[in-house]
Amino acid sequence: RKEVEQDPGPFNVPEGATVAFNCTYSNSASQSFFWYRQDCRKEPKLLMSVYSSGNEDGRFTAQLNRASQYISLLIRDSKLSDSATYLCVVNTGNQFYFGTGTSLTVIP
Amino acid sequence: NAGVTQTPKFRILKIGQSMTLQCTQDMNHNYMYWYRQDPGMGLKLIYYSVGAGITDKGEVPNGYNVSRSTTEDFPLRLELAAPSQTSVYFCASSRSSYEQYFGPGTRLTVT
Repeated sequence: RKEVEQDPGPFNVPEGATVAFNCTYSNSASQSFFWYRQDCRKEPKLLMSVYSSGNEDGRFTAQLNRASQYISLLIRDSKLSDSATYLCVVNTGNQFYFGTGTSLTVIP
Repeated sequence: NAGVTQTPKFRILKIGQSMTLQCTQDMNHNYMYWYRQDPGMGLKLIYYSVGAGITDKGEVPNGYNVSRSTTEDFPLRLELAAPSQTSVYFCASSRSSYEQYFGPGTRLTVT
């Protein structure tokens, strides 16, 4: 079983739409959780950390459910510039485990 | 701060050649990592280090070696390059289990 699983998409949404990504992880001992964004042919960049209480950064909201081992990312009012691949990342011990990413294209 | 820097940005190797990918970070992070990312795929961990003098294998270490003589530097050595090592290589650093910061990557082609 993979450490981190994500729906690869692609998600094609119109500007202004709300879109949600989900991710599950297999190790209940995992300690920290993140969403990264990766643009084509670029390095991953931190979008936000994810906390059990849920956290929000502008149009982005992240949720963590430790009991279900489930992480989500909600993007409201999608912009063209949100088009990218979104990576779910989980830290367990000394290692970070990456999902394969969910591709988002925001259409004018 | 420059963050995480990697050199070279691009490289073409012939089968059987060797090379070293350089990675340097100036954030005084104790943890450093090497990943590879094949087209359309996720990142796979090659090696990681939790501090100077300490390294450990990740998911795909075969064909690679690393060393960590200083906190700042974490070079990745490819010996006897093979076409299967054609990939994009990313170096990253972190302060323990806190978020990772990535370098811009090295695009390697082995022909």
